[in-house]
Amino acid sequence: AQSVTQPDIHITVSEGASLELRCNYSYGATPYLFWYVQSPGQGLQLLLKYFSGDTLVQGIKGFEAEFKRSQSSFNLRKPSVHWSDAAEYFCAWYSSASKIIFGSGTRLSIRP
Amino acid sequence: NAGVTQTPKFRVLKTGQSMTLLCAQDMNHEYMYWYRQDPGMGLRLIHYSVGEGTTAKGEVPDGYNVSRLKKQNFLLGLESAAPSQTSVYFCASSTTGEVAEQYFGPGTRLTVT
Repeated sequence: AQSVTQPDIHITVSEGASLELRCNYSYGATPYLFWYVQSPGQGLQLLLKYFSGDTLVQGIKGFEAEFKRSQSSFNLRKPSVHWSDAAEYFCAWYSSASKIIFGSGTRLSIRP
Repeated sequence: NAGVTQTPKFRVLKTGQSMTLLCAQDMNHEYMYWYRQDPGMGLRLIHYSVGEGTTAKGEVPDGYNVSRLKKQNFLLGLESAAPSQTSVYFCASSTTGEVAEQYFGPGTRLTVT
């Protein structure tokens, strides 16, 4: 079945350190992929999206993601995290009829 | 510009009671969605609508009904609440198109005892 998988449930990084959150997809063709962020007590906000073309996608808040077909991955990265980046991050893919399917999420904690 | 709003923010129901959650958007979006969020399961689509007067089932529609009588509103109903429906409910809206960004409301936390 087509899906996205986020293998890490919870990650803790130190403030100022680099970050990489993993997302693997299972899909025959090139999927449309998204990363959303959910701050505590809030709804979700789109960080970035990939449709086609350049495999390195820039998003808001200094985040980027790289689409790697050979690894079926769409990992989210940030070179230096801030305490305000503590949140839950969801990888998602476009299914059909404007439906988006979300992964199970990765909770990011920041160590002072 | 309020974006997507949800009413109420919190609710506690007893098993068997009914309630309606209201979602409103002021962005003139065609598409609207209802999700539920449970720990470790991400967001799961309950029902969605691609325009006024239309609704369709998502991934987990059982026990819920929806209506889209006005373009800006999307109502989610629970006719007979069950403890398994304890969850956080999110509404979202988007423009038309395959890869349109979905804009989310702040959520409604529902507890069924």
